Amino acid sequence: AQKVTQAQTEISVVEKEDVTLDCVYETRDTTYYLFWYKQPPSGELVFLIRRNSFDEQNEISGRYSWNFQKSTSSFNFTITASQVVDSAVYFCALSEAGGYQKVTFGTGTKLQVIP
Amino acid sequence: GAGVSQSPRYKVAKRGQDVALRCDPISGHVSLFWYQQALGQGPEFLTYFQNEAQLDKSGLPSDRFFAERPEGSVSTLKIQRTQQEDSAVYLCASSLSSPSSYNSPLHFGNGTRLTVT
Repeated sequence: AQKVTQAQTEISVVEKEDVTLDCVYETRDTTYYLFWYKQPPSGELVFLIRRNSFDEQNEISGRYSWNFQKSTSSFNFTITASQVVDSAVYFCALSEAGGYQKVTFGTGTKLQVIP
Repeated sequence: GAGVSQSPRYKVAKRGQDVALRCDPISGHVSLFWYQQALGQGPEFLTYFQNEAQLDKSGLPSDRFFAERPEGSVSTLKIQRTQQEDSAVYLCASSLSSPSSYNSPLHFGNGTRLTVT
């Protein structure tokens, strides 16, 4: 069975601080995908990133960066110089690589960026 | 063009009523998913369609839940004899993926917030 754990329920930071959202996953699959989604108050889940389990290179996209460590089954997400618009609930998720991409989500981390 | 569209945005139903939730996926998307998101929780898988075929309905909580996608585009999630525990946001997602193609990300709609009183 697949499982995604986001131990941080809520985080508050002051604008311009850096913040890291933790994600730990469990799967028996040898090939899988990891995702991060953002859910602003409007409710729509916005896709941020997908990583293949074979690719452990860290990735940076603007103020966002992701640290994938297979050895610790973690896929952490860092926002640098946070902004008020980053306030949202962030979900880490996992799916097997084959088949039809049935995605298992974590319980989410609510990030509040205070101006 | 447009993203995944869901209607209604909000639905209030009295316990015991039937409801129907609609999802218009992105045009050309083969895969369609329904998820249920309870307050303060992550989305949980309900069912999956590949075109018009419902290939996985393992997440449907009970036989009161029924989903269809008769022409391989628009999908409807129907809940019969609604109960208070059915109150949640119901999210629809679509993607280009089919088993023979590279997995593409899921694109989600804004969801339908169902409140059963």
